[in-house]
Amino acid sequence: AQTVTQSQPEMSVQEAETVTLSCTYDTSENNYYLFWYKQPPSRQMILVIRQEAYKQQNATENRFSVNFQKAAKSFSLKISDSQLGDTAMYFCAFNNAGNMLTFGGGTRLMVKP
Amino acid sequence: NAGVTQTPKFQVLKTGQSMTLQCAQDMNHNSMYWYRQDPGMGLRLIYYSASEGTTDKGEVPNGYNVSRLNKREFSLRLESAAPSQTSVYFCASSQGQHSGEQYFGPGTRLTVT
Repeated sequence: AQTVTQSQPEMSVQEAETVTLSCTYDTSENNYYLFWYKQPPSRQMILVIRQEAYKQQNATENRFSVNFQKAAKSFSLKISDSQLGDTAMYFCAFNNAGNMLTFGGGTRLMVKP
Repeated sequence: NAGVTQTPKFQVLKTGQSMTLQCAQDMNHNSMYWYRQDPGMGLRLIYYSASEGTTDKGEVPNGYNVSRLNKREFSLRLESAAPSQTSVYFCASSQGQHSGEQYFGPGTRLTVT
């Protein structure tokens, strides 16, 4: 079974600064997908970024980028130029190209003005 | 284009009561999912439907039943609610089993007293 671990329950960052959220996972699969989801106070789960394991290039979406280290089974999220609207829970998730998304426990991010 | 919709948004039940949570998607997706999110945790898969006419158990199926009514709709039923089922329930859909990416509804907050 796959497991996803987020070792930082809470983090804070000053507005306009950069923050990195950590995620590690455990799998014996070779083909899989990794995701970061954002959950603001509204509760809506919003996809931030995705990475396919077979792609060596790190995914980037505007201010959000990942550092995908396949051998180390590490998938961190970097948020640049943090904004107040980035305040949310962030969940790392793993999908082995099957039916189940396995989520980490989440990191609560607070962006301070 | 509404994406994934869920009803109701909130519900309070007494122990032993039954209810059905409704979910619909308008993205013509083949696969649909039900998750629960307990306080301070990530989402866990209850049941999924890989395609119309099929359903399978996820990680935490006990106490629940599902029906894939048609391609658009996937309902979750609690036959005899228990306080341990107090949670936020999310429905999600994806294009196919192996597409990786899932799109989430806004969630239903259920309290069982």
